[in-house]
Amino acid sequence: AQSVAQPEDQVNVAEGNPLTVKCTYSVSGNPYLFWYVQYPNRGLQFLLKYITGDNLVKGSYGFEAEFNKSQTSFHLKKPSALVSDSALYFCAVRDGNGGFKTIFGAGTRLFVKA
Amino acid sequence: DGGITQSPKYLFRKEGQNVTLSCEQNLNHDAMYWYRQDPGQGLRLIYYSQIVNDFQKGDIAEGYSVSREKKESFPLTVTSAQKNPTAFYLCASSTPGGGSGANVLTFGAGSRLTVL
Repeated sequence: AQSVAQPEDQVNVAEGNPLTVKCTYSVSGNPYLFWYVQYPNRGLQFLLKYITGDNLVKGSYGFEAEFNKSQTSFHLKKPSALVSDSALYFCAVRDGNGGFKTIFGAGTRLFVKA
Repeated sequence: DGGITQSPKYLFRKEGQNVTLSCEQNLNHDAMYWYRQDPGQGLRLIYYSQIVNDFQKGDIAEGYSVSREKKESFPLTVTSAQKNPTAFYLCASSTPGGGSGANVLTFGAGSRLTVL
């Protein structure tokens, strides 16, 4: 069975500082990994994905994530946080061996303080 | 512009009533999904469909039903058997393949259901 864990309910960071939002996953086949962001009362927006290839994936708005197979992790990072990055972030996993089922973590709320 | 349209945006229901949430996409995506969002629990998968006339239960399908008669449409019915239906419901779609948008979920704006 697939599962995703986001161990932090909330992450606080000062504007200009680097940020990390953690994600670990479990899937039986090859993992397809995703990060999405949600602003209040809105649907989710795609940030980046790992399917295959380079372990460091770059996405929208300066975000990046590193796939670590041995640690089954896919942490989201940004070198310099902006106040406008404050939102709810979701990690998701899909079994790449033919499955369409996509499972999300519980979400991590990011607060960036000016 | 291509996208996913969910309606209604807000819906109020009395206990014991069935309600249907609409989801329409013009992205020509094969797969469609319904998720439920509750505070602190993230998104939980209700049902998903890979092709027309076929769908699978997700992790919390009890009390819900769906149909997929057309590629563009995937309505969700919240039945009276769903004991705690108050939530934010999100519809999504995706397409397989090798392009940059492949396998990425595109979401609608959501429907907020409140049981009175």
